[in-house]
Amino acid sequence: EAQVTQNPRYLITVTGKKLTVTCSQNMNHEYMSWYRQDPGLGLRQIYYSMNVEVTDKGDVPEGYKVSRKEKRNFPLILESPSPNQTSLYFCASSLGRWNTEAFFGQGTRLTVV
Amino acid sequence: GQQVMQIPQYQHVQEGEDFTTYCNSSTTLSNIQWYKQRPGGHPVFLIQLVKSGEVKKQKRLTFQFGEAKKNSSLHITATQTTDVGTYFCAGPRGAQKLVFGQGTRLTINP
Repeated sequence: EAQVTQNPRYLITVTGKKLTVTCSQNMNHEYMSWYRQDPGLGLRQIYYSMNVEVTDKGDVPEGYKVSRKEKRNFPLILESPSPNQTSLYFCASSLGRWNTEAFFGQGTRLTVV
Repeated sequence: GQQVMQIPQYQHVQEGEDFTTYCNSSTTLSNIQWYKQRPGGHPVFLIQLVKSGEVKKQKRLTFQFGEAKKNSSLHITATQTTDVGTYFCAGPRGAQKLVFGQGTRLTINP
């Protein structure tokens, strides 16, 4: 089954404790991205990747890092989480860039206390 | 930068009533996509519009892309409880980014 898998689904952590949210897709998609969803703000892009070893900032990259060492995986890293990073995070992948359907993961609800 | 604005933010209707959400861009879009997110779920692709003035239908859903390719709408005829969720439009920014509108949350009174 074609899918994007994120883990964990839920996470509560403390300020400053490094964490990683994993994302994996099995569709051989080149384009992957991370979004955060906050009430009234829709989905805002954090980082995206055009292909292996090619990543770039989205609209809200501050406080986040990503890597793309393999085509299927695109982890999101919070080196020192802060409460303003409490949000619902989605990973997405698509065959192309902006002109093809994006497939979203199930989401990760992160709470930073 | 280019923004995609979506209105209304919320819409509550009686089951059987129609529903419309509108999406407006500050710049011309090469294409526009629509997604639906059920409560507690993730966004799911509905459709993509590419041509100026394009109209596409999916059962009770009608999607339109404006002549100037700067606006789009999603209209649902005779809503059903299964239509509940948040509807997002999304348009490209530059060659590599996809920008989402704020979404319209639809609730339905059965």
